[in-house]
Amino acid sequence: EAQVTQNPRYLITVTGKKLTVTCSQNMNHEYMSWYRQDPGLGLRQIYYSMNVEVTDKGDVPEGYKVSRKEKRNFPLILESPSPNQTSLYFCASVTSGEQFFGPGTRLTVL
Amino acid sequence: GQQLNQSPQSMFIQEGEDVSMNCTSSSIFNTWLWYKQEPGEGPVLLIALYKAGELTSNGRLTAQFGITRKDSFLNISASIPSDVGIYFCAGPNAGGTSYGKLTFGQGTILTVHP
Repeated sequence: EAQVTQNPRYLITVTGKKLTVTCSQNMNHEYMSWYRQDPGLGLRQIYYSMNVEVTDKGDVPEGYKVSRKEKRNFPLILESPSPNQTSLYFCASVTSGEQFFGPGTRLTVL
Repeated sequence: GQQLNQSPQSMFIQEGEDVSMNCTSSSIFNTWLWYKQEPGEGPVLLIALYKAGELTSNGRLTAQFGITRKDSFLNISASIPSDVGIYFCAGPNAGGTSYGKLTFGQGTILTVHP
């Protein structure tokens, strides 16, 4: 079954404690993306990757890092989380006609 | 960056009614995408539009790519309770066709009363 998986699904952490949200896809897609979703703002792109070792900033990259060491995985790293990064995060795997979204990770930073 | 303005922000309708929502941009888009997000899930693509003036249907859903290439419309006919969710328009940034970099509208929250 074609899918995008994210872990964890829910996370409560404290300011400054480094965390990583993993994303994995089994569709062999070259493009992958990270978004955050906040009420009234829709989905805003954080980073995207066109292929292994190729990444670029989206609209709201500040405070985030990504890596793409292998095609199937695209982790999102928050080196020093802050409360304004409390949000719902979605990873997406992209083919020419569609973005396949993961189930989401709800992050709370206290 | 580019912005997509979606309206209305929310709709409360009775089952059986038709629904219309739209999305506008200050710049030209070459592709318009409409997504639906159900509670607790990620967005799922409903309709993709690739040409100005194009009208495309998917069951009870119909979407149109505006002639000016700066707007798009989504209509849902004879709504049912399972139409509940958030509907987003989206398009590739900077008028391109790369699906890797998308801009999303703010979303329209649809509530359908039985």
